[in-house]
Amino acid sequence: AQSVAQPEDQVNVAEGNPLTVKCTYSVSGNPYLFWYVQYPNRGLQFLLKYITGDNLVKGSYGFEAEFNKSQTSFHLKKPSALVSDSALYFCAVRDRDFGNEKLTFGTGTRLTIIP
Amino acid sequence: GAVVSQHPSRVICKSGTSVKIECRSLDFQATTMFWYRQFPKKSLMLMATSNEGSKATYEQGVEKDKFLINHASLTLSTLTVTSAHPEDSSFYICSARVSQGGNQPQHFGDGTRLSIL
Repeated sequence: AQSVAQPEDQVNVAEGNPLTVKCTYSVSGNPYLFWYVQYPNRGLQFLLKYITGDNLVKGSYGFEAEFNKSQTSFHLKKPSALVSDSALYFCAVRDRDFGNEKLTFGTGTRLTIIP
Repeated sequence: GAVVSQHPSRVICKSGTSVKIECRSLDFQATTMFWYRQFPKKSLMLMATSNEGSKATYEQGVEKDKFLINHASLTLSTLTVTSAHPEDSSFYICSARVSQGGNQPQHFGDGTRLSIL
């Protein structure tokens, strides 16, 4: 079984400050991990992924995420937040060792950047 | 690259109508496409996995006779909501994955907002 937890429904950050959106996961094998962003009435846009290798992954729009196997976490980060980063963010996991095609998504975190 | 087009973006129709939603991968081939349903302020619920040239795999609790899926080519999958009722009103999103490579991300369409009166 695979699951994802995003413990914060809402995160507010002042513009220019660093931001973190938290994600923890559970898989039977080893994970593929993904972050997506959703703007109102739109589909999801792919931000970044962790497959293997370096634990720090860099993605689109200045976002990065750090894979921590011991803590089973994959938190999304950005050094300096922009108002345009305000959106709904989803973390997703896929177990790469058990041939599962499906992605399991977290419940989403609404990020609001305050000008 | 990796663009997925979903059409229509919005549908408003009367109860009892059947509605077809198209999902196309524009610049890549997708052996597998996925159909999701998203309720307000909720996460995505996987409805079914659509495989080109074969029957779709439905998730538990999803009525296959209600939500008909056809994946006739490597670039097109369709979802038909048959005899739609108000409780079928929702935001439906498709995604597609590049055929080669299990570690590839899913790429999503912009969704279809279905409103049944």
